Amino acid sequence: DGGITQSPKYLFRKEGQNVTLSCEQNLNHDAMYWYRQDPGQGLRLIYYSQIVNDFQKGDIAEGYSVSREKKESFPLTVTSAQKNPTAFYLCASSRQGSYGYTFGSGTRLTVV
Amino acid sequence: GESVGLHLPTLSVQEGDNSIINCAYSNSASDYFIWYKQESGKGPQFIIDIRSNMDKRQGQRVTVLLNKTVKHLSLQIAATQPGDSAVYFCAENNDYKLSFGAGTTVTVRA
Repeated sequence: DGGITQSPKYLFRKEGQNVTLSCEQNLNHDAMYWYRQDPGQGLRLIYYSQIVNDFQKGDIAEGYSVSREKKESFPLTVTSAQKNPTAFYLCASSRQGSYGYTFGSGTRLTVV
Repeated sequence: GESVGLHLPTLSVQEGDNSIINCAYSNSASDYFIWYKQESGKGPQFIIDIRSNMDKRQGQRVTVLLNKTVKHLSLQIAATQPGDSAVYFCAENNDYKLSFGAGTTVTVRA
């Protein structure tokens, strides 16, 4: 079955450490997105990529980095510069020019 | 049925009643809107969408209404079931991306 996979589901890290969240899709989608979700809030866009080897900052990119070396993969690194990294992170993908996003099941990151 | 006139973060609904979830969007230039459902610990799932050249669109047990004059979107769920308990988000297109509202948590009472 085609889909989008995020791993791990739960992640714990010590403050000051960088951590990379995985997002893989086999839907042959061109565009991929990373959103952050905090309790009681909507989804906020961190980074997005519309094509391989290209990506743009979203609304809250500070403290995060991404890469898009392969069409299928869009990993997100939460760096030590992110002041409040504990959150639920969602990855999504879509066909180019489409707003029909397919979401992964998310990674809950807890920094202690 | 139960409804809210303004966006509220929570909605409690009796099983079998109709639910109405409201959303205000911000960008007058948005021409595409989507409703998503998110169950606890999962990613959002597409429910229904509507383009700005329409006022109403119906799906299975769901209806989306769009009022462009006041930039208001609503989702109506008919005969609400326990499986409808979730957080519901509206989203609007914004320069090749989607912008999401804060979400409404719907709880269905047995």
